[in-house]
Parts: sequence; structure tokens; C-alpha cells
Amino acid sequence: DQQVKQNSPSLSVQEGRISILNCDYTNSMFDYFLWYKKYPAEGPTFLISISSIKDKNEDGRFTVFLNKSAKHLSLHIVPSQPGDSAVYFCAASPGGTSYGKLTFGQGTILTVHP
Amino acid sequence: DTAVSQTPKYLVTQMGNDKSIKCEQNLGHDTMYWYKQDSKKFLKIMFSYNNKELIINETVPNRFSPKSPDKAHLNLHINSLELGDSAVYFCASSRGVGSPLHFGNGTRLTVT
Repeated sequence: DQQVKQNSPSLSVQEGRISILNCDYTNSMFDYFLWYKKYPAEGPTFLISISSIKDKNEDGRFTVFLNKSAKHLSLHIVPSQPGDSAVYFCAASPGGTSYGKLTFGQGTILTVHP
Repeated sequence: DTAVSQTPKYLVTQMGNDKSIKCEQNLGHDTMYWYKQDSKKFLKIMFSYNNKELIINETVPNRFSPKSPDKAHLNLHINSLELGDSAVYFCASSRGVGSPLHFGNGTRLTVT
């Protein structure tokens, strides 16, 4: 039972354009949502997060949107840069003492072309 | 300065052996975690410790035993290794609820 899904295995974008990565979840107990970026042979690197009480969080070129009623979140990267090419993982966590018990999606490979 | 460091990076061993993976964080975080990346590339939590106390313990075989000598270290000991234990193991730490988890670069364990 996959509680966090990233339905696009890959995304290809031109440099300077917007990249939109999507994520759907099923568990209403999730309180926090995080996006990670991963390069081969490295650990996931934290990008941005959002709590369930918000619907938008912005940090530089990265913005995360949360639609609780649709159980959907998205990561917008604008403008996209070639260095953004990596695997992007969406993750969700309950709150309280179970915080940190992240459920990850299967990842989306983003390729930004010069 | 590496924030979350794991050793070794690669570990190749035979079935039946006992091995340990070490993890240290210099971020001053109270909570540390072990995650396993399976063959389908999913990252799944195994354990979580807060100030040396076990908080999260997923359905992991009891051949896996985490040990936290202090809040900056969380080691993973695996007894009687099996072929199915082959995976990449990631250590992580966080400051607390709502704070992001910071991951190490992983230990690729291969059991032959």
C-alpha cells in the first residue's frame, strides 16, 4: 500500500523554464511534507517543507504548494537550472512522537536541458 | 565538515557474518534515524532514537540492533547477515518535530 505516490517517473525541462513535480498521498494523518533532492551515491538533500496548516511555502527558487482536500502537493522550481537535474523525492510524516517516520514516494527524475 | 557521516561507505560480507555500520552527526540534533533503501529504491524507516531512547521501531528482524552511546551517535549492528539484507542504509538526524531530516551519504551493504 503506497501512501505517497509520485506518478511521473521523469520530467524534462528547458533551462529557465518552470519545473513542476507532483505528489499525491492517501494518509490523512500526515502533518508534514518534505521535498528532497538526491544525486547518485549520495544521501537525500533537504530542499523545502510544509506543514499541514499551510498551503504554500517559498524558499528562493523553490515553492511547495499543499492542497489538503485533494491530498496533493507540488514543488515548483523557477527558473530551472541544469544543476537542478537529480531525483526528487516527496516525503510525508506524521506529527508528535512519530515525527520523522517519513514515507517516501518513488521519486521523479528531473532533467534540465541547457 | 560533514554533518551526518556514516562508515563504511561500502561493506561487502558473507552470509552469516555480523557487521556494524557507524553514524555520527555534528549538528547537535536530538533525534537520529536509520533508513533502508530497498531494491525498488524506496526509502523506509527502520529505527529512531531521541536522546539515546528508542522512539520508533518498525517491523525489522531482531537481527538488527541499533545502539546509541550518546545523542551524536547511532550505530547499526546486524547479526547473521542474509542475502536479503543487501541494500543501502542511510542514517539521518533532526532537531525535532517539524525540522527536516538530514541524511548521511549511505552505506551500501552487499551480502554474498
